[in-house]
Amino acid sequence: EPEVTQTPSHQVTQMGQEVILRCVPISNHLYFYWYRQILGQKVEFLVSFYNNEISEKSEIFDDRFSVERPDGSNFTLKIRSTKLEDSAMYFCASSDRLAGENEQFFGPGTRLTVL
Amino acid sequence: RKEVEQDPGPFNVPEGATVAFNCTYSNSASQSFFWYRQDCRKEPKLLMSVYSSGNEDGRFTAQLNRASQYISLLIRDSKLSDSATYLCVVNGAGGSYIPTFGRGTSLIVHP
Repeated sequence: EPEVTQTPSHQVTQMGQEVILRCVPISNHLYFYWYRQILGQKVEFLVSFYNNEISEKSEIFDDRFSVERPDGSNFTLKIRSTKLEDSAMYFCASSDRLAGENEQFFGPGTRLTVL
Repeated sequence: RKEVEQDPGPFNVPEGATVAFNCTYSNSASQSFFWYRQDCRKEPKLLMSVYSSGNEDGRFTAQLNRASQYISLLIRDSKLSDSATYLCVVNGAGGSYIPTFGRGTSLIVHP
């Protein structure tokens, strides 16, 4: 069964550093998403991406955040100047239709710890 | 008012019990609704989409009440493996086409 993969599973970084979280969506999917979940809290939407551009983004997705699909298979989330409050689980998801029309498949997540 | 609200629980039920969860949403223009399941420290996985006419999948039944702006999930004949957090997801709850998750309802099924 096809699945979304994410690397690394755990990333530890110093405050102020840049991190890149990587995702490989399901190969025939067209819509890609990043979410975060702070420990004990709800899953929060960050950004959706389609046709090589951002479709929607939330207030959390400020100018320190960026996404890229550099090679047709990987989908990356870059966070610059990391803050302590960026510590969370980051989930990538993909779907073959818009979020409201069809199931999103989530990756196993990357746990980001900012020290 | 929160966009998507769920009773966090935990709901602690014996095997074989029937349990129901509700989820309320604030935006009457919300377009689509889902229940996801999340195991501890794992990713969310789709359990069911929720349709206006209601839908059933084995022991699970989901219903939508647009007039009262809530969706429900009914689990019959609970299994130990049903223990998880159940996430309500509403699209369009924030006024745009963005999925909004509830905080989840924790279910613990005990022998």
